[in-house]
Amino acid sequence: SQQGEEDPQALSIQEGENATMNCSYKTSINNLQWYRQNSGRGLVHLILIRSNEREKHSGRLRVTLDTSKKSSSLLITASRAADTASYFCATGPETSGSRLTFGEGTQLTVNP
Amino acid sequence: DTAVSQTPKYLVTQMGNDKSIKCEQNLGHDTMYWYKQDSKKFLKIMFSYNNKELIINETVPNRFSPKSPDKAHLNLHINSLELGDSAVYFCASSQDPGTYNSPLHFGNGTRLTVT
Repeated sequence: SQQGEEDPQALSIQEGENATMNCSYKTSINNLQWYRQNSGRGLVHLILIRSNEREKHSGRLRVTLDTSKKSSSLLITASRAADTASYFCATGPETSGSRLTFGEGTQLTVNP
Repeated sequence: DTAVSQTPKYLVTQMGNDKSIKCEQNLGHDTMYWYKQDSKKFLKIMFSYNNKELIINETVPNRFSPKSPDKAHLNLHINSLELGDSAVYFCASSQDPGTYNSPLHFGNGTRLTVT
């Protein structure tokens, strides 16, 4: 089974609304990262949050991490049509030499 | 300035053929990766190279052979292509190969279609 699992699988909202995506994982991590993938493009890194951090902001993005619940959330405030993309969480392992494991992603559609 | 570039963007070929995908990064990173993204958008790591040395080799058929002539390039050669190889292949690079404390930088992908 996968390390990171996003929820919901798909989310459709109106411009200006907030979008919240969740990620759950199973094993201990060193960090958790969020990426965005626009249609037909590669993944773009958004935020990295370390295991000893609880919250991080970047512009309209807010990421939280709860290591006791093994979960993270990505909040996009005041969404725009250009935010339409797939969003992936990825867990950075505690053990050096292991793998960065991606979830299946949340498809976000922001309607103008 | 493209940080991670891969060619070609689209590759359509017949079963049994051999093909290569090239990747170059100009970020000065030591570590490069190949990922496969299936039709459900699930990303799975295939290989990882650090400074031209293979450090991760997932359970990938040996028809897939990565080659790193220098730390800025990581090419992927696929022999005897099969229908199931159809997917989008992404090259990526990063500074830190260990605990992934630095983000991955991805290319725009190569969509491989095997007919």
